[in-house]
Amino acid sequence: EPEVTQTPSHQVTQMGQEVILRCVPISNHLYFYWYRQILGQKVEFLVSFYNNEISEKSEIFDDQFSVERPDGSNFTLKIRSTKLEDSAMYFCASSLTRLNTQETQYFGPGTRLLVL
Amino acid sequence: EDKVVQSPLSLVVHEGDTVTLNCSYEVTNFRSLLWYKQEKKAPTFLFMLTSSGIEKKSGRLSSILDKKELFSILNITATQTGDSAVYLCAVLGNEKLTFGTGTRLTIIP
Repeated sequence: EPEVTQTPSHQVTQMGQEVILRCVPISNHLYFYWYRQILGQKVEFLVSFYNNEISEKSEIFDDQFSVERPDGSNFTLKIRSTKLEDSAMYFCASSLTRLNTQETQYFGPGTRLLVL
Repeated sequence: EDKVVQSPLSLVVHEGDTVTLNCSYEVTNFRSLLWYKQEKKAPTFLFMLTSSGIEKKSGRLSSILDKKELFSILNITATQTGDSAVYLCAVLGNEKLTFGTGTRLTIIP
């Protein structure tokens, strides 16, 4: 069964460093998403991406964040200058079509980011 | 701001018991409500509900939506230890899902 994959599974970085989290969505999916979940808290939407541009973003997704689909398969989230509070599990998700009453997203296994 | 509230936050029951998990919501432009099960890592999809009063069923799990009262319940009958997980409710508004904090369900053998 096709699945969303993410690398790395864990990343530890120093505050102020840049990190890139990678995702390979399900191959025929067209819509891509990033969510994060701070330990013990709820899953929070960051950004949705379609046709090589951001279609919606939350207030969390500020200028230190960016997303890119550099080739036909990868979808990346870059955090430019990490802060302690960026420590969280980051989930990538994809869907075949725009989210509607028939379509849902499929989540990857997540990347646990720890900023020291 | 869209809001999803789940209750209880945590529930501990014995194997074989039946549980009911609750989810209430306030969302602009409601399109659907989804239930996910989260064990160690990624949420896995359980149900999508769009219409009031129509029960969705998958094995021992079932769920129903009330769009007038803005809530949904997830029932699990004859619980097993493998049902231990965090159950997440999420509501689809415009282009995004808004999640609740989840209910942590623990099944004691």
